Amino acid sequence: AQKVTQAQTEISVVEKEDVTLDCVYETRDTTYYLFWYKQPPSGELVFLIRRNSFDEQNEISGRYSWNFQKSTSSFNFTITASQVVDSAVYFCALTLSYNTDKLIFGTGTRLQVFP
Amino acid sequence: DSGVTQTPKHLITATGQRVTLRCSPRSGDLSVYWYQQSLDQGLQFLIHYYNGEERAKGNILERFSAQQFPDLHSELNLSSLELGDSALYFCASSVEGGDRGLKETQYFGPGTRLLVL
Repeated sequence: AQKVTQAQTEISVVEKEDVTLDCVYETRDTTYYLFWYKQPPSGELVFLIRRNSFDEQNEISGRYSWNFQKSTSSFNFTITASQVVDSAVYFCALTLSYNTDKLIFGTGTRLQVFP
Repeated sequence: DSGVTQTPKHLITATGQRVTLRCSPRSGDLSVYWYQQSLDQGLQFLIHYYNGEERAKGNILERFSAQQFPDLHSELNLSSLELGDSALYFCASSVEGGDRGLKETQYFGPGTRLLVL
């Protein structure tokens, strides 16, 4: 079965701190896709990144960076120098290449950044 | 703004009633997906349509149904509503999704918040 685990339910940091959100996935398939979405207090789901299982290169986008490690089935997300606007719930998700197109979401991590 | 639109934004109704949620995908996207977000179940996939055809079903109740029209907009119909149907319903769209080998990013609409009283 496929599963995504986000063990951190809630994280609180002070502005300018770095924070890492953990994501561990389970699948027996060799081809799959991983995603991160952000859900700010307004409620919409905002796409952040998509990564396929053959691309283990880490990615950096501004203050955001992602560390994909197949050996540990993890796809962790780091925010550097956090800001109050980063406060949101962050979801990690998995989809397979051959099966349905559904996204399998983790339970999310609520990040609160205090000034 | 993802380019996916959903109406209405909020909906309050009573148990036993029927409602219709509407979704317009991003321009050029052929696939529409529906998800339900509730406190106890989290984000759950309901159903996927590609170019008017149903492609996959998830944890969708028999009381719920959906369709995708020729202009590619989609509607999710919820009937015989129960208190437990109160949730945030998201629509997402992607370019592909018809060929199982292609996985494009799903872009989400702002959601419809349904409250059943």
